[in-house]
Amino acid sequence: DTGVSQDPRHKITKRGQNVTFRCDPISEHNRLYWYRQTLGQGPEFLTYFQNEAQLEKSRLLSDRFSAERPKGSFSTLEIQRTEQGDSAMYLCASSTRTAEGNEQFFGPGTRLTVL
Amino acid sequence: AQSVSQHNHHVILSEAASLELGCNYSYGGTVNLFWYVQYPGQHLQLLLKYFSGDPLVKGIKGFEAEFIKSKFSFNLRKPSVQWSDTAEYFCAVRGLNTGNQFYFGTGTSLTVIP
Repeated sequence: DTGVSQDPRHKITKRGQNVTFRCDPISEHNRLYWYRQTLGQGPEFLTYFQNEAQLEKSRLLSDRFSAERPKGSFSTLEIQRTEQGDSAMYLCASSTRTAEGNEQFFGPGTRLTVL
Repeated sequence: AQSVSQHNHHVILSEAASLELGCNYSYGGTVNLFWYVQYPGQHLQLLLKYFSGDPLVKGIKGFEAEFIKSKFSFNLRKPSVQWSDTAEYFCAVRGLNTGNQFYFGTGTSLTVIP
């Protein structure tokens, strides 16, 4: 499978714990995005990387959230001191610039449950 | 900030019925527009996209969408739905002068009854 992969698919944690998610984009894609999706809502943008540079961050991304893409390939999203409100599906997407524009390919997501 | 409105939250249709899902966005500049579909238990997949040119775009599985710039709309249509079209449908917009953020609507849940 050469699509976007995410690990783990499910994570249950207790409030106050730290969690880290991983995203492996499509290999030739230089752009990587993180989104959060809660029940009944569409994906909400969190952050965007072009290669290893984090170029955009949403105001949704509090200081408890940090994302990295150290070598411009895979990315990690860490949430420190998790809260129940962090329970959501965390989606990763990747893309590359084409002559037409910018189309994103999504991974299966990591479902986080904070108890 | 940009926003995307999907007016229909839940739609129930019988097989062979025609489908139209509404999508309106708020952004005055040039946009890229997308419809994504999420089948039960699967991840988001691109149905179709509009970047430029012909405002009537055709996607996979018989879906099409029309970009009407004056109405800030990008409605999704299919002339005859099938049971397998049961899914969640999301409209998304990217403003070309506002960075690389994609803004998604809240989604429309479509149930097709055999």
